[in-house]
Amino acid sequence: NAGVTQTPKFQVLKTGQSMTLQCAQDMNHEYMSWYRQDPGMGLRLIHYSVGAGITDQGEVPNGYNVSRSTTEDFPLRLLSAAPSQTSVYFCASKRGGLKQETQYFGPGTRLLVL
Amino acid sequence: TQLLEQSPQFLSIQEGENLTVYCNSSSVFSSLQWYRQEPGEGPVLLVTVVTGGEVKKLKRLTFQFGDARKDSSLHITAAQPGDTGLYLCAGVVPGGYNKLIFGAGTRLAVHP
Repeated sequence: NAGVTQTPKFQVLKTGQSMTLQCAQDMNHEYMSWYRQDPGMGLRLIHYSVGAGITDQGEVPNGYNVSRSTTEDFPLRLLSAAPSQTSVYFCASKRGGLKQETQYFGPGTRLLVL
Repeated sequence: TQLLEQSPQFLSIQEGENLTVYCNSSSVFSSLQWYRQEPGEGPVLLVTVVTGGEVKKLKRLTFQFGDARKDSSLHITAAQPGDTGLYLCAGVVPGGYNKLIFGAGTRLAVHP
């Protein structure tokens, strides 16, 4: 199993450009989520999904869109990148429901917006 | 808004020393998780504590959940250079999705 995979690993954007961060998991997990990690602030939840076709906002959703057309994939879209979106982005997945389920993180995408 | 305060932010110690990392909140969590993150990688779950007062041990690491389920600690005995990394606590918010609220992290450096 590959677990949770993310592409690209690194990306540099100019302000106003758009891009999609890809995330895929091969564990048939129901729950998937996107976090951003900034120095001194830990990880903050951007959007999450409890199953195909179902998404909801986390703590910091502004400037980001998501969709979940399949169980495996959960892309994160930046429609008009801003320097404040410079961060490291992590995708995570877990089996649904139980509070003790282990959440698995991808290796991250490092984004720089100039 | 639920917050999880983690301290200290940085720790630099010699091999063989003991250390404790704390996570504190005014909110109650369903459970609390501890992660370790290596540079360039995503966090990896170390342990989940569920019951108030629960203590779990993972080799030289001891995790404790506060009686009121608002705080937790991680104690490392006889730290080794291999323990170096970023340690994150995360509270599981009660609710259907069980969202995680992360602390800011403790960056630990253990010197030989």
